[in-house]
Order: sequence, then structure tokens, then C-alpha cells
Amino acid sequence: DTVLTQSPALAVSPGERVSISCRASEGVNSYMHWYQQKPGQQPKLLIYKASNLASGVPARFSGSGSGTDFTLTIDPVEADDTATYFCQQSWNDLTFGSGTKLEIK
Amino acid sequence: QVQLQQSGAELAKPGSSVKISCKASGYTFTSYYISWIKQTTGQGLEYIGYINTGSGGTNYNEKFKGKATLTVDKSSSTAFMQLSSLTPDDSAVYYCASAPIWFAYWGQGTLVTVSS
Repeated sequence: DTVLTQSPALAVSPGERVSISCRASEGVNSYMHWYQQKPGQQPKLLIYKASNLASGVPARFSGSGSGTDFTLTIDPVEADDTATYFCQQSWNDLTFGSGTKLEIK
Repeated sequence: QVQLQQSGAELAKPGSSVKISCKASGYTFTSYYISWIKQTTGQGLEYIGYINTGSGGTNYNEKFKGKATLTVDKSSSTAFMQLSSLTPDDSAVYYCASAPIWFAYWGQGTLVTVSS
């Protein structure tokens, strides 16, 4: 299985820029996707195929990367962005990262 | 708007089975595959597999072969997942989601608790 590694947690202040990383154990081309999950809710698609903004998602969210290293950037961060962010690859079967919990100070 | 409405929480005994439903609305049911995903605090998100809502063809994560069975009823635009031979490790929130590659639409989740 392709393992996706994410940092467990980050804390930033409103208005700042934050980058959340996801590293794949093997290349996944551009088939990396990002989700936001708030407590008690289902995940919400933010970015698909590395850099494509999903419908209705604010332009503050962006994605980049290819191969094994990918980044989700939020700029500027807002208080409502408090959530866990997951990456997911669909190049080698389908796996998810363990999630990065983002705290807004 | 696209909606996936899942059935309610289940409390099941070890060794039994449960069948969860996922009713789609707001689009042509056979336009998107339906996938199923398991979420636990310890293991995070795990992909179970998908069903082709048009043909009924399925694809399973090796880990869930023999555990999950995916079916579909096109007449009611509903997908189903049956979990068999339940153990406490099957306790989780289970989601249905549209499409097999990335998931634009998700159900609200169904909590399955396995306990004697």
C-alpha cells in the first residue's frame, strides 16, 4: 500500500498562511486529493488532482505538488478553518493520510 | 443538489451482520460509482471499495474482502453495504461517497457499534 505521511498537528493565528504537507511512500503522479473534516461531520473535498479547487471552495485554499510531495495551503487562515485535513491518493489503489489537525490560535 | 442519505446507527452483537444503506438524490444515480469508507479514531480513514451503480460490478480493498459486500438497487437509487461476522474491530463510522477516485459528495456517516 502507498503510505501517506502527514504531520499530526499545526497551530496558526488568523490571517497567517499555513502549509500542510503530505508525503507519499511512492509516486502518485498528480492523483492526490485533499479533504477538510470538522468534528461530527463528513469530510469535504477541497482539492482534487493536486491543484484543482473543488466546487464552492474558497480561493484561500490551494494545492500543489506532484510525485511524492504535496502541499495544501490556506492563505489567509480564518477561525472557521479549524479542522482536520486529510490527503488521499488514487494512483496506487486508494489510501488516506492520517490527517493534520489544524488549530487556529 | 447531490445528496447521499445514509441509514441510522446500528448496535450489533459479535458474529452478526449489519446492512447499511445510502440513498442518492439530486443526480442520475448511475452517473457516479458509490464508494464506501471506514473511519475509526485509531486507524483513520480506510477505503473499503466501490460499486459501479450501472452494472453492479464491484472492486474491494483486499483487507475488506469477505467482510463487506456491496450491492445496489437502481430502482430506489440506493447502495448498500453488508458487513458480516462482526467483531469489535468493525466498530466505526462508515461513509458512502460518490465516484471511485476522489470523493466530491459524502453521506453523513453511519455509526456501527459491535458489542455484546
